Parts: sequence; C-alpha cells; structure tokens
Amino acid sequence: ETVMTQSPATLSVSPGDRATLSCRASQRIGSSLAWYQQKPGRAPRLLIYGASTRATGIPARFSGSGSGTEFTLTIGSLQSEDFAVYYCQQYHDWPPVTFGGGTKVEIK
Amino acid sequence: EVQLLESGGHLVQPGGSLRVSCTASGFTFRTYAMTWVRQAPGKGLEWVSGISGSGGSTNYADSVKGRFTISRDNSKNTLFLQLNSLRAEDTAVYYCAKQDCSNGLCYMSAWGQGTLVTVSS
Repeated sequence: ETVMTQSPATLSVSPGDRATLSCRASQRIGSSLAWYQQKPGRAPRLLIYGASTRATGIPARFSGSGSGTEFTLTIGSLQSEDFAVYYCQQYHDWPPVTFGGGTKVEIK
Repeated sequence: EVQLLESGGHLVQPGGSLRVSCTASGFTFRTYAMTWVRQAPGKGLEWVSGISGSGGSTNYADSVKGRFTISRDNSKNTLFLQLNSLRAEDTAVYYCAKQDCSNGLCYMSAWGQGTLVTVSS
C-alpha cells in the first residue's frame, strides 16, 4: 500500500498570500496524484488531477506540480473561500487508492 | 450537470446491516466506474470500495472486505453499498464518487453530499 504524507498539518496564511502544501508518496506514483478541497460539512471537491491538471471550473490560482514521490499544491493568492482542508490522493497503486491525512489552511 | 445523491444512512446497532444508495444523474452512468469513500467524524478520507462501469469488477479496502458489498443497477442509475457485521469504527459519512479513468488509473471527479452511518448500541 502506498502511504501518502501531507505537510504541514495546519497552515496559517493571510488573505492574499501564497500557500504551498506538500504531499509525499512512500513509493513512486508517476503523475497519478489528485488534490481535493473540503470545507466544513461539505463533500470533497476535485481541484487537480494528473498532478498538475486543473479540474473544470477551478480558478487559475490553484496549481499543482511534482511527479514520482514529491508533489505540491500552490494557491497563488488566498481568497476567503479557499480556507479549507486539502487532501492529496494517489491512484497509481491500487487497490487501495490512498489519501493523505490532509492540510488545514486557516486564516492567520 | 453531474449530480450524486446518497441515501439510506441511519443509526444501526453493532453487528447489524444497512444498505446505502447513490442515485446518479447528468452523465451516462453505465460508462463510469464508481467508488465509495468514507469519513469518520473529525477524521480524514478513507477509500472503501470501487466498481467498474459494467459491475463486473469490484475492489474493497481490507478494513471492509468480507463485510461490505458494492453493486450497481445501471438501469436505475444507482450505486449501492451493502454494509454487514457493522462495527463502531464503521461510523462515518459515506460518500459516493464518480471516477474518471485513463489507462485504468482513476480519480474522483464528482462527489455526492454523503450519508451518515452511525453504529452504536
């Protein structure tokens, strides 16, 4: 099973600042990496797939990068609606698909 | 617009059974793999089970293998998860998700709002 590790667990950011979230896979997964955003009481929403491709309707301030074992989600200029929990998920080595533990982006 | 609507979650006693459903609309249901993901209160996401578009291929997390059964009725655009021998640790919101796949690699492109299953005496 591929273990996904996200860091940091919590990221305190001021509105308008850039946020950088990390995700590491325990083995190489190519570019089979997705990022999801989840707000309290809501379902997750796909942001990025294929490590760097934005899903339909996702603003350009969200960008993904990386391959192999190291991945990054960057939010270019944080808006109020971006404060949420973000999960990475690998779908290269399955079953099972596996998620990281999440990074909570909170207002500084 | 893709819509997924789960139902059937409720309070059940340990050892009991339950079936949750997910009704899909806005896409050609039979051509897409589907999956269930759960989230225990205050915790992260855990993949539970997946099924191919035809229903001929299924997969399960080790934590639910032998207790849960995924199925689908393509004539009714509905996905099911039968939960048997339920334990307290199965308490969670259960989400269904549509999978977009390329070369057998699938990510979850759309999610339902979830249904809460509570296992408690």
